[in-house]
Amino acid sequence: EVQLVESGGGSVQPGGSLRLSCAASGFTFRNFWMYWVRQAPGKGLVWVSRLKTDGTYTEYADSVKGRFTISRDNGKNTLYLQMESLRTEDTAVYYCVRGGMGNTGLDHWGQGTLVTVSS
Amino acid sequence: QSALTQPASVSGSPGQPITISCTGTSSDVGADNLVSWYQQHPGKAPKLMIYDVSERPSGVSDRFFGSKAGNTASLTISGLQSEDEADYYCSSYTSTKTFVFGTGTKVTVL
Repeated sequence: EVQLVESGGGSVQPGGSLRLSCAASGFTFRNFWMYWVRQAPGKGLVWVSRLKTDGTYTEYADSVKGRFTISRDNGKNTLYLQMESLRTEDTAVYYCVRGGMGNTGLDHWGQGTLVTVSS
Repeated sequence: QSALTQPASVSGSPGQPITISCTGTSSDVGADNLVSWYQQHPGKAPKLMIYDVSERPSGVSDRFFGSKAGNTASLTISGLQSEDEADYYCSSYTSTKTFVFGTGTKVTVL
């Protein structure tokens, strides 16, 4: 069974940093593109970033470019999101997602970890 | 990266069909066949319902049908059931190598 378990969320002041982790199991992690998607409380889904299988290629939403860094450790089956210079508008549940269907279908989602940026 | 436009809400009676539209531009929805649809029940993670415009993952009911014409994609649910009541989001890859989600549609079964 595919499982994606996020951790590392919590409360942080504006300008602070956090690192999210996502432990993957039940599939060959190194074979799949991985994504981060976020959802502010009561709002819609917003794509954050994605990372190629071998970690050599990344894409970011304009709203996080230069502040967030996506990475992976295929030996540990773990995806990361390093978040710097956090803003109140970054407050959201962050989902770790596998890109496993077709070219861009996101077929397995974690349960999410809440990041709250507030003074 | 403006969100794709979806109706805020759509409703229908059990057994009836409904269609949710997802309107973008020639730089996203209209650029390629890279549109997906997701279902999200309250407090739950989203679930992939349709990918590459019209492909259904195994395990997803064949009552869900995806299509696209120009810059507008559509999700049709035939034979609406109570368990279909949820939020639905479309998504598209874009020509600027980013992804964009739709604004979301709340489906209500009357």
